[in-house]
Amino acid sequence: AQTVTQSQPEMSVQEAETVTLSCTYDTSESDYYLFWYKQPPSRQMILVIRQEAYKQQNATENRFSVNFQKAAKSFSLKISDSQLGDAAMYFCAYRSGLNRDDKIIFGKGTRLHILP
Amino acid sequence: EPEVTQTPSHQVTQMGQEVILRCVPISNHLYFYWYRQILGQKVEFLVSFYNNEISEKSEIFDDQFSVERPDGSNFTLKIRSTKLEDSAMYFCASSGRGSEQFFGPGTRLTVL
Repeated sequence: AQTVTQSQPEMSVQEAETVTLSCTYDTSESDYYLFWYKQPPSRQMILVIRQEAYKQQNATENRFSVNFQKAAKSFSLKISDSQLGDAAMYFCAYRSGLNRDDKIIFGKGTRLHILP
Repeated sequence: EPEVTQTPSHQVTQMGQEVILRCVPISNHLYFYWYRQILGQKVEFLVSFYNNEISEKSEIFDDQFSVERPDGSNFTLKIRSTKLEDSAMYFCASSGRGSEQFFGPGTRLTVL
């Protein structure tokens, strides 16, 4: 079975600085997707960034980028120029590419604090 | 921009009562899901639904739970006889032909 591990329960970063959130996963599949979701205090799940396993190029979305290391099964999220609005719980997530309706498997999350 | 909606935003019920949580997925989506998040814990998969039947369900999704797409637009989760441990945030999600699942804002269920 696939698993997602986030080893950092909480992190803090100074406003305008850069922070990296770690994630590792375990799977025997070759076709899959990885995601980072943001959950602010409202508890809405917001997709931050997506990576297809077959793509070697790391995904980027404005200030958010990932470091996808397929062989190491590592998928870290880098937030540049941190802003107060980035404070939230961040979940790393995995989805198999086998079937279109495969479930998403979430890690336990990392709570990110932004220090003014 | 199309979005998944859920009602109610907060439901309070007595233990043993039935609750129905409602979701309106994005209109051209084909795949529908329910997830649950107990406060302070990770988001857990409950069930997926496609072509009017359950595709997959987790061990959490026991006989007390059921899902339905009664009218082609709504997607509901029913808990037949709620327990204290059912208190959680329930998220509906839907997806089309791509990889991404779009999540609704969630329904907070409180069982007293």
